[in-house]
Amino acid sequence: NAGVTQTPKFRILKIGQSMTLQCTQDMNHNYMYWYRQDPGMGLKLIYYSVGAGITDKGEVPNGYNVSRSTTEDFPLRLELAAPSQTSVYFCASSYTSDRGGYTFGSGTRLTVV
Amino acid sequence: GNSVTQMEGPVTLSEEAFLTINCTYTATGYPSLFWYVQYPGEGLQLLLKATKADDKGSNKGFEATYRKETTSFHLEKGSVQVSDSAVYFCALYTQGGSEKLVFGKGTKLTVNP
Repeated sequence: NAGVTQTPKFRILKIGQSMTLQCTQDMNHNYMYWYRQDPGMGLKLIYYSVGAGITDKGEVPNGYNVSRSTTEDFPLRLELAAPSQTSVYFCASSYTSDRGGYTFGSGTRLTVV
Repeated sequence: GNSVTQMEGPVTLSEEAFLTINCTYTATGYPSLFWYVQYPGEGLQLLLKATKADDKGSNKGFEATYRKETTSFHLEKGSVQVSDSAVYFCALYTQGGSEKLVFGKGTKLTVNP
């Protein structure tokens, strides 16, 4: 079982560049999430989705966009990269009936220079 | 709003020592409580959970009891191993509100041989 797959694992961006972080899950989970993890700050929710075609903002959505065209995929888009977006990004998913019991991907470490 | 407070780290123990990581929460409604673990270079993994007051979650020798009267969910292990070295996150989830886990900031545990 692949679980939640994130690509790429590492990326360096220049200020102002754009990129998409990919997230795919093969467990038929309805709920999907994007978090960022900054040192000593825990995890902050960026965006989440409760099903295909439905997305909503989390605590720190500014500078990011998402889409959910299929159950499996939940890409995160950075349009104009800024140094403040240097972080580790985690995608997660869960069953509707197991809220809080998330399966996480292994993360993408992004550096903006 | 909902929040989770964990004891500040880092925590350093010798192998076979007793571990306690304190976690308290503030929540409206009746939250489910979780402990997640993050090993170096990996994503978070669900360690244990409890969904109602007085429930005890347990896994891999770790335990935590949901104490509604003290709004706490402290993580304990009787004898830690070097392989338990990781960052531990306490989290809560409430249904009916925004559909997301709220995480504490994490506690880094290092176990020395």
